[in-house]
Amino acid sequence: QLHLQESGPGLMKASETLSLTCTVSGGSIRGSTYYWAWIRQSPEKGLEWIGSILHSGISYYSSSLESRVTMSVDTSKDQFSLTLKSVSAADTSIYFCGALTYYYGMDVWGQGITVTVSS
Amino acid sequence: DIQMTQSPSSVAASVGDRVTITCRASQDIGNWLAWYQQKPGKAPQVLIFATSTLQTGVPSRFSGSGSGTDFTLTITGLQPEDFATYYCQQANNFPRGLTFGGGTKVEIK
Repeated sequence: QLHLQESGPGLMKASETLSLTCTVSGGSIRGSTYYWAWIRQSPEKGLEWIGSILHSGISYYSSSLESRVTMSVDTSKDQFSLTLKSVSAADTSIYFCGALTYYYGMDVWGQGITVTVSS
Repeated sequence: DIQMTQSPSSVAASVGDRVTITCRASQDIGNWLAWYQQKPGKAPQVLIFATSTLQTGVPSRFSGSGSGTDFTLTITGLQPEDFATYYCQQANNFPRGLTFGGGTKVEIK
């Protein structure tokens, strides 16, 4: 059974670059048909899709965040990552990684990691 | 991006009640929609995908319907474990532009 776990800093300062990693276990990223996704949740914005990436490295980003977002995948480690530049208090959220398909939706989620940006 | 509007934003109900949550899309999204259930401190979990297909293990008291711009999640015979927040999600331009509704909190009356 697929299991995902987020890791990264919990507290950041405004203007810094956020880097989060999602480690996949119970399955392999290589050759998977999943889109590996990042979604965040805040009281102000609710659930917000950030982006998705395939095992090949092809990525898709939210139009509202794409100027600051980069995703990458490391199939040798079964990890995928999120980088978000120039964070502000508005980026304070719980960040979830997950496994997404068109038909089944996001049927595997990590537990989430709380990221707080201080000014 | 397609906007998803859920109503109501919260509903108070009793065990055994029938609860209906609606999700309206800002444009036609065809016949695929997902519903998620989230409990406090946990990640959302998919309940229904492809508008009306129950995820494995989801009780049959949950049902989904709709197409185009209007979709519905119905819980028939609310159980104590169903008190949670529910979200809809569209994927009309998959893998781009996924968006979620604002959520409906089902609370105990």
